[in-house]
Amino acid sequence: ETGVTQTPRHLVMGMTNKKSLKCEQHLGHNAMYWYKQSAKKPLELMFVYNFKEQTENNSVPSRFSPECPNSSHLFLHLHTLQPEDSALYLCASSPLDRGAVHNEQFFGPGTRLTVL
Amino acid sequence: RKEVEQDPGPFNVPEGATVAFNCTYSNSASQSFFWYRQDCRKEPKLLMSVYSSGNEDGRFTAQLNRASQYISLLIRDSKLSDSATYLCVVKDGTASKLTFGTGTRLQVML
Repeated sequence: ETGVTQTPRHLVMGMTNKKSLKCEQHLGHNAMYWYKQSAKKPLELMFVYNFKEQTENNSVPSRFSPECPNSSHLFLHLHTLQPEDSALYLCASSPLDRGAVHNEQFFGPGTRLTVL
Repeated sequence: RKEVEQDPGPFNVPEGATVAFNCTYSNSASQSFFWYRQDCRKEPKLLMSVYSSGNEDGRFTAQLNRASQYISLLIRDSKLSDSATYLCVVKDGTASKLTFGTGTRLQVML
Protein backbone atom coordinates (compact mmCIF):
# COMPACT_ATOMS: atom_id res chain seq x y z
CA GLU A 1 0.00 0.00 0.00
CA THR A 2 3.01 2.22 0.54
CA GLY A 3 3.74 4.97 -1.98
CA VAL A 4 7.44 4.83 -1.09
CA THR A 5 9.35 1.61 -1.66
CA GLN A 6 12.87 0.70 -0.62
CA THR A 7 15.16 -2.13 -1.64
CA PRO A 8 16.70 -4.16 -0.27
CA ARG A 9 14.81 -4.47 3.01
CA HIS A 10 17.79 -6.09 4.71
CA LEU A 11 21.49 -5.87 3.87
CA VAL A 12 24.57 -7.36 5.47
CA MET A 13 27.90 -6.12 4.19
CA GLY A 14 31.55 -6.19 5.05
CA MET A 15 33.57 -3.04 5.61
CA THR A 16 35.27 -3.36 2.22
CA ASN A 17 32.09 -3.91 0.21
CA LYS A 18 30.30 -1.42 -2.00
CA LYS A 19 26.52 -1.55 -2.07
CA SER A 20 23.61 0.73 -2.95
CA LEU A 21 20.23 1.34 -1.37
CA LYS A 22 17.35 2.24 -3.64
CA CYS A 23 14.23 4.29 -2.97
CA GLU A 24 11.32 4.93 -5.30
CA GLN A 25 8.26 7.08 -4.68
CA HIS A 26 5.00 6.85 -6.62
CA LEU A 27 3.35 9.91 -5.09
CA GLY A 28 4.38 12.62 -7.55
CA HIS A 29 6.50 14.38 -4.92
CA ASN A 30 9.46 16.59 -5.69
CA ALA A 31 11.42 16.33 -2.45
CA MET A 32 13.18 13.20 -1.22
CA TYR A 33 15.14 12.51 1.95
CA TRP A 34 17.50 9.96 3.49
CA TYR A 35 17.34 9.40 7.25
CA LYS A 36 19.33 7.15 9.57
CA GLN A 37 17.65 5.55 12.60
CA SER A 38 19.92 3.91 15.16
CA ALA A 39 18.78 2.14 18.31
CA LYS A 40 17.97 4.52 21.17
CA LYS A 41 18.68 7.57 18.97
CA PRO A 42 16.33 9.93 17.16
CA LEU A 43 15.97 9.84 13.39
CA GLU A 44 18.85 11.76 11.85
CA LEU A 45 18.38 13.58 8.57
CA MET A 46 21.22 12.77 6.15
CA PHE A 47 20.36 14.32 2.78
CA VAL A 48 17.58 16.35 1.16
CA TYR A 49 16.85 16.62 -2.55
CA ASN A 50 14.42 19.12 -4.07
CA PHE A 51 13.72 18.68 -7.78
CA LYS A 52 16.75 16.36 -8.04
CA GLU A 53 19.07 18.99 -6.55
CA GLN A 54 20.73 18.29 -3.22
CA THR A 55 19.72 21.05 -0.83
CA GLU A 56 21.03 19.64 2.42
CA ASN A 57 23.91 17.43 3.49
CA ASN A 58 23.78 17.09 7.24
CA SER A 59 27.53 16.61 7.76
CA VAL A 60 27.37 13.05 6.50
CA PRO A 61 30.69 11.20 6.00
CA SER A 62 31.77 10.76 2.39
CA ARG A 63 31.45 6.98 2.63
CA PHE A 64 27.73 7.69 2.08
CA SER A 65 27.10 9.05 -1.41
CA PRO A 66 23.55 9.96 -2.50
CA GLU A 67 22.29 10.08 -6.06
CA CYS A 68 18.99 11.43 -7.33
CA PRO A 69 18.60 10.81 -11.07
CA ASN A 70 14.99 12.05 -11.12
CA SER A 71 12.27 13.14 -8.71
CA SER A 72 11.02 9.59 -8.25
CA HIS A 73 14.25 7.78 -7.48
CA LEU A 74 16.88 8.18 -4.81
CA PHE A 75 19.94 6.06 -4.17
CA LEU A 76 22.41 5.84 -1.33
CA HIS A 77 25.77 4.40 -2.38
CA LEU A 78 27.76 2.85 0.42
CA HIS A 79 31.48 2.08 0.52
CA THR A 80 34.02 1.28 3.23
CA LEU A 81 31.41 1.52 5.96
CA GLN A 82 32.08 1.01 9.65
CA PRO A 83 30.21 -1.26 12.10
CA GLU A 84 28.73 1.86 13.76
CA ASP A 85 26.97 2.62 10.47
CA SER A 86 24.67 -0.33 11.14
CA ALA A 87 21.18 1.13 11.39
CA LEU A 88 17.79 1.43 9.71
CA TYR A 89 18.02 3.72 6.68
CA LEU A 90 14.74 5.37 5.83
CA CYS A 91 13.80 7.18 2.67
CA ALA A 92 11.00 9.74 2.66
CA SER A 93 9.32 11.99 0.13
CA SER A 94 7.09 15.05 0.28
CA PRO A 95 5.70 17.73 -1.98
CA LEU A 96 8.34 20.37 -2.59
CA ASP A 97 9.32 21.94 0.71
CA ARG A 98 8.49 25.63 0.83
CA GLY A 99 10.28 26.76 3.95
CA ALA A 100 7.84 27.45 6.71
CA VAL A 101 5.01 25.44 5.22
CA HIS A 102 5.07 21.86 6.35
CA ASN A 103 4.41 19.19 3.84
CA GLU A 104 3.88 15.75 5.31
CA GLN A 105 6.77 13.40 4.75
CA PHE A 106 5.89 9.87 3.68
CA PHE A 107 8.40 7.25 4.69
CA GLY A 108 9.42 4.01 3.03
CA PRO A 109 9.74 0.80 5.07
CA GLY A 110 13.50 1.21 5.41
CA THR A 111 16.58 -0.89 4.77
CA ARG A 112 18.04 -2.56 7.85
CA LEU A 113 21.80 -2.46 7.33
CA THR A 114 24.33 -4.50 9.23
CA VAL A 115 28.04 -3.81 8.71
CA LEU A 116 30.35 -6.60 9.84
CA ARG B 1 20.81 19.69 25.60
CA LYS B 2 18.93 17.59 23.05
CA GLU B 3 17.10 19.55 20.36
CA VAL B 4 13.89 17.63 20.97
CA GLU B 5 13.50 15.82 24.25
CA GLN B 6 10.96 13.14 25.13
CA ASP B 7 10.51 10.65 27.95
CA PRO B 8 11.30 7.30 26.27
CA GLY B 9 8.83 5.41 28.46
CA PRO B 10 7.52 2.79 28.15
CA PHE B 11 4.11 3.92 29.27
CA ASN B 12 2.10 0.80 30.11
CA VAL B 13 -1.60 1.64 30.39
CA PRO B 14 -4.83 -0.39 30.44
CA GLU B 15 -7.34 -0.17 27.64
CA GLY B 16 -9.62 2.81 28.09
CA ALA B 17 -7.08 4.87 29.98
CA THR B 18 -6.11 8.43 29.18
CA VAL B 19 -2.40 8.99 28.64
CA ALA B 20 -0.38 12.13 27.97
CA PHE B 21 3.05 12.57 26.42
CA ASN B 22 5.18 15.66 26.65
CA CYS B 23 7.99 16.97 24.54
CA THR B 24 10.31 19.98 24.87
CA TYR B 25 12.32 21.61 22.12
CA SER B 26 15.36 23.85 22.35
CA ASN B 27 15.18 25.98 19.19
CA SER B 28 12.97 28.99 19.86
CA ALA B 29 12.87 29.68 16.09
CA SER B 30 10.92 26.47 15.49
CA GLN B 31 7.78 27.10 13.48
CA SER B 32 6.04 23.81 12.86
CA PHE B 33 5.33 20.92 15.19
CA PHE B 34 4.06 17.40 14.66
CA TRP B 35 3.45 14.05 16.20
CA TYR B 36 4.45 10.99 14.17
CA ARG B 37 3.65 7.43 15.09
CA GLN B 38 6.04 4.53 14.51
CA ASP B 39 4.92 0.94 14.98
CA CYS B 40 7.49 -1.71 15.82
CA ARG B 41 9.74 -2.39 12.81
CA LYS B 42 7.70 -0.05 10.64
CA GLU B 43 8.23 3.40 9.20
CA PRO B 44 7.06 6.62 10.91
CA LYS B 45 3.70 8.03 9.82
CA LEU B 46 2.24 11.46 10.49
CA LEU B 47 -0.31 11.32 13.29
CA MET B 48 -1.16 15.01 13.49
CA SER B 49 0.21 18.50 13.17
CA VAL B 50 0.21 20.70 16.26
CA TYR B 51 -1.25 24.19 16.03
CA SER B 52 -0.83 27.11 18.40
CA SER B 53 -4.48 27.05 19.41
CA GLY B 54 -4.40 23.33 20.12
CA ASN B 55 -6.16 20.80 17.95
CA GLU B 56 -8.10 17.62 18.28
CA ASP B 57 -8.53 14.61 16.02
CA GLY B 58 -10.93 12.07 17.49
CA ARG B 59 -9.36 10.67 20.66
CA PHE B 60 -6.13 12.60 20.12
CA THR B 61 -5.49 16.15 21.33
CA ALA B 62 -2.29 18.09 20.69
CA GLN B 63 -1.23 21.26 22.49
CA LEU B 64 1.61 23.71 21.92
CA ASN B 65 3.07 26.13 24.46
CA ARG B 66 5.55 28.36 22.64
CA ALA B 67 6.56 30.30 25.75
CA SER B 68 7.68 27.10 27.49
CA GLN B 69 8.76 25.40 24.23
CA TYR B 70 6.61 22.44 25.09
CA ILE B 71 4.32 20.17 23.06
CA SER B 72 1.90 17.57 24.36
CA LEU B 73 -0.21 14.73 23.04
CA LEU B 74 -3.22 13.40 24.91
CA ILE B 75 -4.81 10.08 23.99
CA ARG B 76 -8.23 9.34 25.46
CA ASP B 77 -9.90 5.93 25.69
CA SER B 78 -6.71 4.09 24.71
CA LYS B 79 -7.03 1.13 22.36
CA LEU B 80 -4.72 -1.83 21.96
CA SER B 81 -3.99 -0.55 18.46
CA ASP B 82 -2.56 2.67 19.92
CA SER B 83 0.50 0.71 21.07
CA ALA B 84 3.42 2.30 19.23
CA THR B 85 6.23 4.79 19.61
CA TYR B 86 5.15 8.43 19.37
CA LEU B 87 7.71 10.77 17.87
CA CYS B 88 7.72 14.49 18.58
CA VAL B 89 8.92 16.39 15.51
CA VAL B 90 9.93 20.03 15.12
CA LYS B 91 10.72 22.09 12.04
CA ASP B 92 12.11 25.59 11.84
CA GLY B 93 10.77 28.05 9.34
CA THR B 94 13.71 28.23 7.01
CA ALA B 95 15.04 24.73 6.47
CA SER B 96 13.71 21.47 5.14
CA LYS B 97 14.98 19.72 8.20
CA LEU B 98 12.64 17.87 10.52
CA THR B 99 14.17 17.27 13.95
CA PHE B 100 12.87 14.15 15.67
CA GLY B 101 12.78 13.22 19.32
CA THR B 102 13.77 9.71 20.32
CA GLY B 103 10.12 8.84 20.80
CA THR B 104 7.89 7.74 23.67
CA ARG B 105 6.82 4.12 23.66
CA LEU B 106 3.22 3.35 24.57
CA GLN B 107 1.97 -0.14 25.40
CA VAL B 108 -1.79 -0.49 25.87
CA MET B 109 -2.75 -3.65 27.74
CA LEU B 110 -5.94 -5.69 28.16
